[in-house]
Amino acid sequence: GNSVTQMEGPVTLSEEAFLTINCTYTATGYPSLFWYVQYPGEGLQLLLKATKADDKGSNKGFEATYRKETTSFHLEKGSVQVSDSAVYFCALSVNTGNQFYFGTGTSLTVIP
Amino acid sequence: EAQVTQNPRYLITVTGKKLTVTCSQNMNHEYMSWYRQDPGLGLRQIYYSMNVEVTDKGDVPEGYKVSRKEKRNFPLILESPSPNQTSLYFCASSKLQGSYNEQFFGPGTRLTVL
Repeated sequence: GNSVTQMEGPVTLSEEAFLTINCTYTATGYPSLFWYVQYPGEGLQLLLKATKADDKGSNKGFEATYRKETTSFHLEKGSVQVSDSAVYFCALSVNTGNQFYFGTGTSLTVIP
Repeated sequence: EAQVTQNPRYLITVTGKKLTVTCSQNMNHEYMSWYRQDPGLGLRQIYYSMNVEVTDKGDVPEGYKVSRKEKRNFPLILESPSPNQTSLYFCASSKLQGSYNEQFFGPGTRLTVL
């Protein structure tokens, strides 16, 4: 089947710390991979994506590389800011992009 | 402003009383989808639609119905709500089938079924 597993939260970091949120997946076929971010009281927003193996998605200082050999798509940022505090969801899509599977979300709090 | 709107934003109802949550997008997107978000389970896809009159089941369709009579609207119908449908619901849309393209999410509807 299709599923996404991401690291448990919550995660608390000091400003300018390095961030890694782990994400692994199982999928039938060749999925596309995504990271979405949810700020308090809002819907999800796309943060970055990768559609094939070895692609690197990047946006706002965040990066993730599609690793087929380890079935992973870990999210990283070199220096987090207070404004990065949010819940982060790893997701995959299959079936020509019609079906989506999300992880459970990882809550990040960045303290000054 | 490009957006996905949902109504109502909050709803408390009782078991068995039919309800509809509306979803509308103003971006002329072909693809629309409904999700529910539950603690410890993340988002799970309920139904999706690839275009007018074309819908299909997601991962957790039981107890829900949808319709796509117009491109901009994709209502979620609970014919006989039960307490296990208490959840936070999100509607989303995107330009092409599924995506590769970015999904735009609505603000969410918090439903409580007593």
